[in-house]
Amino acid sequence: NAGVTQTPKFQVLKTGQSMTLQCAQDMNHNSMYWYRQDPGMGLRLIYYSASEGTTDKGEVPNGYNVSRLNKREFSLRLESAAPSQTSVYFCASSSTGTSHEQYFGPGTRLTVT
Amino acid sequence: AQSVTQLGSHVSVSEGALVLLRCNYSSSVPPYLFWYVQYPNQGLQLLLKYTSAATLVKGINGFEAEFKKSETSFHLTKPSAHMSDAAEYFCAVSSVGSNYKLTFGKGTLLTVNP
Repeated sequence: NAGVTQTPKFQVLKTGQSMTLQCAQDMNHNSMYWYRQDPGMGLRLIYYSASEGTTDKGEVPNGYNVSRLNKREFSLRLESAAPSQTSVYFCASSSTGTSHEQYFGPGTRLTVT
Repeated sequence: AQSVTQLGSHVSVSEGALVLLRCNYSSSVPPYLFWYVQYPNQGLQLLLKYTSAATLVKGINGFEAEFKKSETSFHLTKPSAHMSDAAEYFCAVSSVGSNYKLTFGKGTLLTVNP
């Protein structure tokens, strides 16, 4: 039982390049989330998927797209990376049980030069 | 709308001293409240959660938190700090009104001095 996994762990991009961050969970959770973490800002929600086949914008969606590929996988795409997207990205998942607590992956550290 | 305020971006304590990390929340409906811990270069790990049952919640590693509705607070405490407690701590709130999306505070970095 690996929980939430993310690939890659580290990535360096040049401005204008594109890339996809991958996330998978093996806990049979319905909901999945993408956050970015910046110093002094806490975690901010980029996009989320309440269930397979649905996605919705969070607090900071500009410059990103997502795909809920199936129940297990939720990817985040940067079409044209900008230095402002330098951040640590976390994927999380949650069940629809009593507390809806979220479980986090180890993160992807992205630098855009 | 919901929000979280963590008072003190950096708290420093001596080993063996009381740890108190402050969290105040705002929510128009009954909240669910969480404390997460993040060790350097790792993801977030759930420490404890309040889900409208007992107001005093015990978590992992000797931490506990008390939900006080009148004060809209959910402060995290540990009686005796250990060096291994050094990490960043995040308070978060969710509710049925937010479709269970989490809103995080900005975090408190805990330093433990020998």
